[in-house]
Amino acid sequence: EPEVTQTPSHQVTQMGQEVILRCVPISNHLYFYWYRQILGQKVEFLVSFYNNEISEKSEIFDDQFSVERPDGSNFTLKIRSTKLEDSAMYFCASTLAGVNNEQFFGPGTRLTVL
Amino acid sequence: KNEVEQSPQNLTAQEGEFITINCSYSVGISALHWLQQHPGGGIVSLFMLSSGKKKHGRLIATINIQEKHSSLHITASHPRDSAVYICAVRRAQGAQKLVFGQGTRLTINP
Repeated sequence: EPEVTQTPSHQVTQMGQEVILRCVPISNHLYFYWYRQILGQKVEFLVSFYNNEISEKSEIFDDQFSVERPDGSNFTLKIRSTKLEDSAMYFCASTLAGVNNEQFFGPGTRLTVL
Repeated sequence: KNEVEQSPQNLTAQEGEFITINCSYSVGISALHWLQQHPGGGIVSLFMLSSGKKKHGRLIATINIQEKHSSLHITASHPRDSAVYICAVRRAQGAQKLVFGQGTRLTINP
């Protein structure tokens, strides 16, 4: 069964460093998302991406964040200069198309900023 | 005020009990999702609903659009059902992002 994959599973970085989180969505899906979950809190939307551009972003997704689909398979989230408060679980998700399609989630990347 | 509220926040039950988790939302929606989050953190989609009722194995999800309320039921609960169950909605207008509830932590004791 096709699935969303994410790498790495756990990333530890120093404050101020850049990190890139990688996702491979399901191959025929067209919409891609990043969500994050700070430990003990609810999942929050960061950004959605369709047709090679951002379709929606939250207030969290400031200038320190960027997304890219560098090739036909990968979808990346870059944090330019990490802060302690960026420590969280980051989930990638993808969906086929349309407003009533199921979202498929990746296993997540746990980011720890020291 | 949160757009999506779940109750209870924590639920502990004995194996075999019938479980109900509730979700209320305050916005117009195009779909409601029930998700399961395992102790390791991964999220699995259980149901997507826009009306009525869906059943998969021992899991049943219902939604009442007029009352802006959904329930997730687990029949004959088992310790392996222990997880966090999350309700999330997609707004009727706007893009496809999901707005999440805070989750219900379910523990089923043998």
